[in-house]
Amino acid sequence: NAGVMQNPRHLVRRRGQEARLRCSPMKGHSHVYWYRQLPEEGLKFMVYLQKENIIDESGMPKERFSAEFPKEGPSILRIQQVVRGDSAAYFCASSPVTRTGGFGTEAFFGQGTRLTVV
Amino acid sequence: DQQVKQNSPSLSVQEGRISILNCDYTNSMFDYFLWYKKYPAEGPTFLISISSIKDKNEDGRFTVFLNKSAKHLSLHIVPSQPGDSAVYFCAAGSAGSSNTGKLIFGQGTTLQVKP
Repeated sequence: NAGVMQNPRHLVRRRGQEARLRCSPMKGHSHVYWYRQLPEEGLKFMVYLQKENIIDESGMPKERFSAEFPKEGPSILRIQQVVRGDSAAYFCASSPVTRTGGFGTEAFFGQGTRLTVV
Repeated sequence: DQQVKQNSPSLSVQEGRISILNCDYTNSMFDYFLWYKKYPAEGPTFLISISSIKDKNEDGRFTVFLNKSAKHLSLHIVPSQPGDSAVYFCAAGSAGSSNTGKLIFGQGTTLQVKP
């Protein structure tokens, strides 16, 4: 679990600013997932990326949110012009491969970034 | 549309007794189910999983039961320990050629095990 590194752990932004959340997957993992947890709710899938490719972004809000996973460096989740409703915990998970039959034990979550919009 | 539901927000049990956490789902296309444990200020940690072709999977003190006809699964922890106190999330996923590995999570159940 500690192998997936997210930073910062806590991020405070004023309304209208940009938030950039970083995720370095575990060594050898080339698949990254972003989830968002709103207060008192479960985790909601946002986006699934492989190196230089967005595979599934069906959970991403249509505006202001974007994600990338470049060939070199961490995956970035960017939120432009943040609003109070963006305040949440954002979790990244990584996996070495995606296999039919499951996500299961191959996926590991980071400790999350807690975004607070004031 | 909440496809995975954990209807009990919290559960309190005595140390040494059994903890039973429940989860219901609506999508019959789910192929596998997982339970995650989460401590405050940490990410979820995988606990145990079960394929839809099975009705039981056991790992030490943890057993997951799946009732496909009822679209219901449960996690049993026996015996419960104070260190088990955490939020438990049920999650489900679909296999097949379109599988992207994304999971659908329930809202979570907070388990408190009292010494």
